[in-house]
Order: sequence, then C-alpha cells, then structure tokens
Amino acid sequence: AQSVAQPEDQVNVAEGNPLTVKCTYSVSGNPYLFWYVQYPNRGLQFLLKYITGDNLVKGSYGFEAEFNKSQTSFHLKKPSALVSDSALYFCAVRDLTLSGGYNKLIFGAGTRLAVHP
Amino acid sequence: SAVISQKPSRDICQRGTSLTIQCQVDSQVTMMFWYRQQPGQSLTLIATANQGSEATYESGFVIDKFPISRPNLTFSTLTVSNMSPEDSSIYLCSASSGMDTNEQFFGPGTRLTVL
Repeated sequence: AQSVAQPEDQVNVAEGNPLTVKCTYSVSGNPYLFWYVQYPNRGLQFLLKYITGDNLVKGSYGFEAEFNKSQTSFHLKKPSALVSDSALYFCAVRDLTLSGGYNKLIFGAGTRLAVHP
Repeated sequence: SAVISQKPSRDICQRGTSLTIQCQVDSQVTMMFWYRQQPGQSLTLIATANQGSEATYESGFVIDKFPISRPNLTFSTLTVSNMSPEDSSIYLCSASSGMDTNEQFFGPGTRLTVL
C-alpha cells in the first residue's frame, strides 16, 4: 500500500537558519511526490512536486526538496528560514489506486514549522 | 493554476441539520475532490466529484451522509447531512487538470462547527 510519513510533529528553527522538514514514502513504482503548505485559517497551497528528472526540485517561496530514491525520502528544505514560513507543511504521494479513473493523493500527517525571531 | 473559492468560509450549525458547501473554480478542470480535515489531523479524501455522474466515495464515506453534486466543469457542492458534533471539521475542495501529475489546487476551506 502507498503511504507517506512525516516523522516530526513540529520543527523549531531560528530565523535565518536553514530548515528541513522530513518526509519518507512507500510506493510501488515511480513516486510522484508533492509538498503543500497550510497557513492558519487558509487552504493548502502547492509548493513543489517531483515527477522525474533532477533530484533537487525548486518551488515557491524559496523552498526546495531533494528526492532520494535509495532512502525513499523527499525532504523539504530552505537555506534561510523566515518567521513568515511558520505554518503546517504536508507531504503527499500519488496513490496508484484509481478513483473515478484518476490517481489520488495520500497526505502525510503534517509537520508544524515554527520559525522564531 | 486554478483559483478556487468556497462558500461559506465558516458556519456553526445545530445537530441534526444539513449544510451545503459550494466550490467554484475559475477555469474548467478535469477533477474535483472533497477532503475533510479534522482538528489537528491531516487531510482525508471524502470523494471524487465526477461531472455528470455520481461521485466516487472513499471507504468510510457514504452518499447519504455526504451527497455531492457536480453539474459542470467548474462547480461542485458537498452536503453534510444530519450533522453531529463529530462532523466538526474543515472541509476542503480541490481541483486538478492533470491526469498524470495529479497536482491539485485547494480552496480556502469551510470551517464547520456542529453544536
């Protein structure tokens, strides 16, 4: 069965420091991986995706993610954190189970990022 | 990317009543989905809204409780029927135009509180 795990409930980082939010996945076949961010009282916003190609994927707001096939990981990173990056981050993977003829997404439990001034 | 709006943004309802949530996309999309996000939890897919046919429900969700309509390629509704406090959640609509990549864009959500 397809699944995605976010092992950290919360990540704390000081402003200006690099940040990493971890994600590991389990899929059969080639993974399609996604990161979304949810700010308080708002819906999810798409950050970036990995489909194929370069293992380092660049996305919105200066975020990037590194696909590592041997470690089945897709960690989200940013070189220098901002207080405004504080939010809930979700990793997601394509589920090969078809729903209405199309693939679904499976979301991780989410990781709350807190960036302190 | 698609811009998605939802109405209402929030509501407080009495037990036993029903609420219909509307989802509007600013462009035609292939797929529309409805999710539930319970307090402090991740997203759970309720169903895929199929244009012109019955929605496809995930395990644990049934049409009688969560009837869904999708009359065209830009609009869908989700009704939460005969509500109980356990239905208190954020309900999110999403849309996708890609069959292969499954990149989804989300609405702002509807925060429902059932008393």
